[in-house]
Amino acid sequence: GAGVSQSPSNKVTEKGKDVELRCDPISGHTALYWYRQSLGQGLEFLIYFQGNSAPDKSGLPSDRFSAERTGGSVSTLTIQRTQQEDSAVYLCASSLGDRGLLETQYFGPGTRLLVL
Amino acid sequence: AQKITQTQPGMFVQEKEAVTLDCTYDTSDPSYGLFWYKQPSSGEMIFLIYQGSYDQQNATEGRYSLNFQKARKSANLVISASQLGDSAMYFCAMREGLYGNNRLAFGKGNQVVVIP
Repeated sequence: GAGVSQSPSNKVTEKGKDVELRCDPISGHTALYWYRQSLGQGLEFLIYFQGNSAPDKSGLPSDRFSAERTGGSVSTLTIQRTQQEDSAVYLCASSLGDRGLLETQYFGPGTRLLVL
Repeated sequence: AQKITQTQPGMFVQEKEAVTLDCTYDTSDPSYGLFWYKQPSSGEMIFLIYQGSYDQQNATEGRYSLNFQKARKSANLVISASQLGDSAMYFCAMREGLYGNNRLAFGKGNQVVVIP
């Protein structure tokens, strides 16, 4: 597709359940990023992939959060045993991955997660 | 310490007027990139413009320009001839370092409402 796509658009889940969020980057982009946007914390970096490797996962808030990327393309962010504080918009971005200083990240529409 | 500071309260702007959105940043790295994104109510983050720390001239992109004052560590966004479609949240972001650190650090955002 032309842009970054994410699914689902919205997800409502019960506390304690696991959720999977999916991101399809722009074709040809080797770098992929996950961010979280919440009212209290603003936009926070979660994890960065270059190809299938995650050289920077320092933003993951707890071990309940994990992410993987397969085939250098699609990425899945998994949140286990969801808590109410996990409610946020999860944004995925991709970039060319040439590691230039002005490498631009292009964002998807986000997944709005609500944990009841 | 906060990397990016955006402290202006919400702004109302008359259509066709120019508006300046303030952004100050904090880094000790000589190599960095500064980015502005627009987030309308639909939620998608839209890339607008960037400026590199080594750029001698201010960046411009259509109606968007960046007033880069390196010594003051500010990178203000100027939107000329405001349009109703410019109503959105605007985020300033920074990427530090030439290699390895691809994450973007975002400010809290500036809310702009364009009125006819």
